Amino acid sequence: DAKTTQPPSMDCAEGRAANLPCNHSTISGNEYVYWYRQIHSQGPQYIIHGLKNNETNEMASLIITEDRKSSTLILPHATLRDTAVYYCIAFGGTSYGKLTFGQGTILTVHP
Amino acid sequence: ETGVTQSPTHLIKTRGQQVTLRCSSQSGHNTVSWYQQALGQGPQFIFQYYREEENGRGNFPPRFSGLQFPNYSSELNVNALELDDSALYLCASSVWSGGSYEQYFGPGTRLTVT
Repeated sequence: DAKTTQPPSMDCAEGRAANLPCNHSTISGNEYVYWYRQIHSQGPQYIIHGLKNNETNEMASLIITEDRKSSTLILPHATLRDTAVYYCIAFGGTSYGKLTFGQGTILTVHP
Repeated sequence: ETGVTQSPTHLIKTRGQQVTLRCSSQSGHNTVSWYQQALGQGPQFIFQYYREEENGRGNFPPRFSGLQFPNYSSELNVNALELDDSALYLCASSVWSGGSYEQYFGPGTRLTVT
């Protein structure tokens, strides 16, 4: 699986958009970009994934650059409950079920 | 709520003992993966079961073993417990769908080895 790089921490004001970047410069053509988050002491929660097109669901939007070397997860109106560790994972091909979690980004949403 | 349940929630064992952790998958999911998460670290992949067969394993010794049952529920067994086995153990159920593969995690079992 391609390695991903994320900033260790970010802050965001409540009600504002949170933009979480991820670098995956070695991603291969059949690897998807997945985002999960983990709120303290809970299991990781699936957020969104994409291959090359931008994606949006009820939780977030995922913007993937045209060369697929980086992506941005957007939480349009962050709330205090969005405070969590966010993981960007490149997954696919022969990875079977192995999600490779890095250190992620600790997002803190402030009142 | 993901529909994935795990039991027990917490467990305390002594070094050298054996432990069995259980996971009930989300309905319709035929694949289950297990992860170990040490304090302050991201989850580490242990292994995956698909239709009752192990079909992928991470860098964990053979004393970590598993089972998947016909109803797709699963067990993780750890023999000869070591202090470093203290961690949050997570299971995730999933199903391949159109080339994508969303894994849904349970709340985890917190294992403490003393």
